[in-house]
Amino acid sequence: GESVGLHLPTLSVQEGDNSIINCAYSNSASDYFIWYKQESGKGPQFIIDIRSNMDKRQGQRVTVLLNKTVKHLSLQIAATQPGDSAVYFCAENPLQKLVFGTGTRLLVSP
Amino acid sequence: NAGVMQNPRHLVRRRGQEARLRCSPMKGHSHVYWYRQLPEEGLKFMVYLQKENIIDESGMPKERFSAEFPKEGPSILRIQQVVRGDSAAYFCASSFSGTGLSYEQYFGPGTRLTVT
Repeated sequence: GESVGLHLPTLSVQEGDNSIINCAYSNSASDYFIWYKQESGKGPQFIIDIRSNMDKRQGQRVTVLLNKTVKHLSLQIAATQPGDSAVYFCAENPLQKLVFGTGTRLLVSP
Repeated sequence: NAGVMQNPRHLVRRRGQEARLRCSPMKGHSHVYWYRQLPEEGLKFMVYLQKENIIDESGMPKERFSAEFPKEGPSILRIQQVVRGDSAAYFCASSFSGTGLSYEQYFGPGTRLTVT
């Protein structure tokens, strides 16, 4: 299996709390951003996306905020559940290929 | 509707051997992308292919690595003369199109390559 993410930034929350995961992106030309969730031993799973002509988009229990001025993305998870425990990556696509951030490990304790 | 399929899920090779990783995209998808992930890191783009064409291979090492997506059959990522530094998880993704509203990439479960 994969190594334990000892060096990944980690966010620890209690079940039921709201979680906010932040990400800085690098390319001003990027016009499409995605958040992925990756559980141990699995491939990334799409959570939510946002285009550069928007600054907020909501899904089921998740909200993505985009601040183009400071090139910052955030993912908000409402009422976090143990099943939300995973590594979360933001990704940008300047030219069709995805450029991933380093990831944040979310630990949810019951 | 089956998702992106990758095989094998785990592959062990000795230094100097060849590794072949296969990816079958989702039904109806004609765009395939390969990414590599080292432990505790994000995925790094390697190559983007459409049927019978390599569109962007800017992330792929110039030597020992090659990729194809034939008219029939899965996409193949081939690594010749593997070295220990090739040990990683290799993920394939597919999309319906490369641009526009159907851009979303769906990922397979990955192939974990270990070079001994």
